[in-house]
Amino acid sequence: DAKTTQPPSMDCAEGRAANLPCNHSTISGNEYVYWYRQIHSQGPQYIIHGLKNNETNEMASLIITEDRKSSTLILPHATLRDTAVYYCIVRPLSGSARQLTFGSGTQLTVLP
Amino acid sequence: DTEVTQTPKHLVMGMTNKKSLKCEQHMGHRAMYWYKQKAKKPPELMFVYSYEKLSINESVPSRFSPECPNSSLLNLHLHALQPEDSALYLCASSQDTDGHNEKLFFGSGTQLSVL
Repeated sequence: DAKTTQPPSMDCAEGRAANLPCNHSTISGNEYVYWYRQIHSQGPQYIIHGLKNNETNEMASLIITEDRKSSTLILPHATLRDTAVYYCIVRPLSGSARQLTFGSGTQLTVLP
Repeated sequence: DTEVTQTPKHLVMGMTNKKSLKCEQHMGHRAMYWYKQKAKKPPELMFVYSYEKLSINESVPSRFSPECPNSSLLNLHLHALQPEDSALYLCASSQDTDGHNEKLFFGSGTQLSVL
């Protein structure tokens, strides 16, 4: 029972913005949206998370729609090192369901 | 130090062998996790330890036996594995709070091959 839907793959030109979409139409009021990425041969790495406001950190920006049914992760200036699988995860703050459960993710390939 | 260290990086074992995977963190985190990842699939949660006590076992077969000797160390003991257990085994740690800032830090994993 997938809580998020992501495109299986995307390409982006180096230096351009990469916009990765995620649908989470059944998200509950107490659930946050988290993004992790996994570069080949490495463990997943936390990127960013949010509840309903847009968020920005040194790695990326997260735009969450007003109805919270979808979000977009933005890498403003993609580099070759951003090639990875990007996972969008919805999780509550407490309870047994708060454990991190990965969906299929999006394979982002940054092209030179 | 935001590193989770896993050893060994690669392991080949026979179905009758006994081996152990090791994981270590020095971030003062009180929760530690084992995930299993098959090729081209997302990581799947196996076990969660909270304050050195097993809090979640996702119906993992008994041939996988986790151990948390102290808050910095996590082991996964392997015995009588099957070829289908071949996978990347990932360890992670976190502060173990209910707050929204809970972030998992992952190691690079142990690539296990069962012959």
